[in-house]
Amino acid sequence: NAGVMQNPRHLVRRRGQEARLRCSPMKGHSHVYWYRQLPEEGLKFMVYLQKENIIDESGMPKERFSAEFPKEGPSILRIQQVVRGDSAAYFCASSPRGTMNTEAFFGQGTRLTVV
Amino acid sequence: QQPVQSPQAVILREGEDAVINCSSSKALYSVHWYRQKHGEAPVFLMILLKGGEQKGHEKISASFNEKKQQSSLYLTASQLSYSGTYFCGTDPYNFNKFYFGSGTKLNVKP
Repeated sequence: NAGVMQNPRHLVRRRGQEARLRCSPMKGHSHVYWYRQLPEEGLKFMVYLQKENIIDESGMPKERFSAEFPKEGPSILRIQQVVRGDSAAYFCASSPRGTMNTEAFFGQGTRLTVV
Repeated sequence: QQPVQSPQAVILREGEDAVINCSSSKALYSVHWYRQKHGEAPVFLMILLKGGEQKGHEKISASFNEKKQQSSLYLTASQLSYSGTYFCGTDPYNFNKFYFGSGTKLNVKP
């Protein structure tokens, strides 16, 4: 059973471009979480999705950021018109039943650099 | 919402013990502990549930005090491989999502 797969591992974008980050959860996992991590800082919750539904996006900036988890295919975190402050590592995690009483498995992350 | 971890950083010699604390201002239903090495993904260590007993993982164990809304991670006879940043994650609203503390950086030296 492959782990959580994120791609690309590294992404460089110029200011104003769009960034699309992909996350394929572990097989059988229908809960996906996205976190942002700045250098030397903790993991900040962004959004929690289940298949075809956004459950909680309270950690997402109101503008330019969106996330989806379609019925088929990976979860996508999309950042439009990127700015330098978006540079960070973005991790996704998946779990089979939600994190209340079960562990979440993390992907290797996508390191976004905005130049 | 975000739990508070202490200390922020710890330096140990191999074989020494350490305690990392995690506290929340909200009632907790579960506490997760993860370790992250530089440039890598966080790796799950253990989960403690409300009403559950103390958990252990080799020489790493943890406790969960529901009344105090605190959890502590105990690292016994530390090894070089224990180095990394430890995060606690809490689910304060029982909504199946968790918030991470800011992390405790542990450096074990020979």
